[in-house]
Amino acid sequence: ETGVTQTPRHLVMGMTNKKSLKCEQHLGHNAMYWYKQSAKKPLELMFVYNFKEQTENNSVPSRFSPECPNSSHLFLHLHTLQPEDSALYLCASSQVRGGTNEKLFFGSGTQLSVL
Amino acid sequence: DAKTTQPPSMDCAEGRAANLPCNHSTISGNEYVYWYRQIHSQGPQYIIHGLKNNETNEMASLIITEDRKSSTLILPHATLRDTAVYYCIVRVVTDTGNQFYFGTGTSLTVIP
Repeated sequence: ETGVTQTPRHLVMGMTNKKSLKCEQHLGHNAMYWYKQSAKKPLELMFVYNFKEQTENNSVPSRFSPECPNSSHLFLHLHTLQPEDSALYLCASSQVRGGTNEKLFFGSGTQLSVL
Repeated sequence: DAKTTQPPSMDCAEGRAANLPCNHSTISGNEYVYWYRQIHSQGPQYIIHGLKNNETNEMASLIITEDRKSSTLILPHATLRDTAVYYCIVRVVTDTGNQFYFGTGTSLTVIP
């Protein structure tokens, strides 16, 4: 148990569906992240939120829409996805303090399949 | 862009030390080296990190070369539960915070 919970663990959706991934952290952290992990590729950073403000968007297509209502919750809204978007989506959190010991804590991920 | 390169796979005998190398030749002076591992169907788990000095904790040791262009993660007595993908990561400092750049990782198999 890392203190970061993602739901659902598995999701199958059609290309015309709209779904949302949820992430919740119980660590009191002030930064949250979405990563995408496709087979045989490095983890790709998608979005970063610091203190609820989006500070990074790594050229992610608009069919992925993040939302961070507070520092403990992060959502990824999905609509009109493509089959190549099938991947493991990982949420992480960290305590940004400008020091030396910042660490990422990951959830178990949502395995997404787009049909 | 991945800032690290690692061998794609390695084997290690159970009970022996596992030495996992990583090259990060473009690392800057204020960028830390982190190691995480990922067991199938789980999120990556923190192992250890360092800047320029060697580090040791209850899980592993991290050896960073003097020029900081490479490092080695050492698992002193590998067990079957250490079978996982190990990621060497450079933490980059930006204006808006820290970014963690993952490479493709090394798949370590511990053999009985």
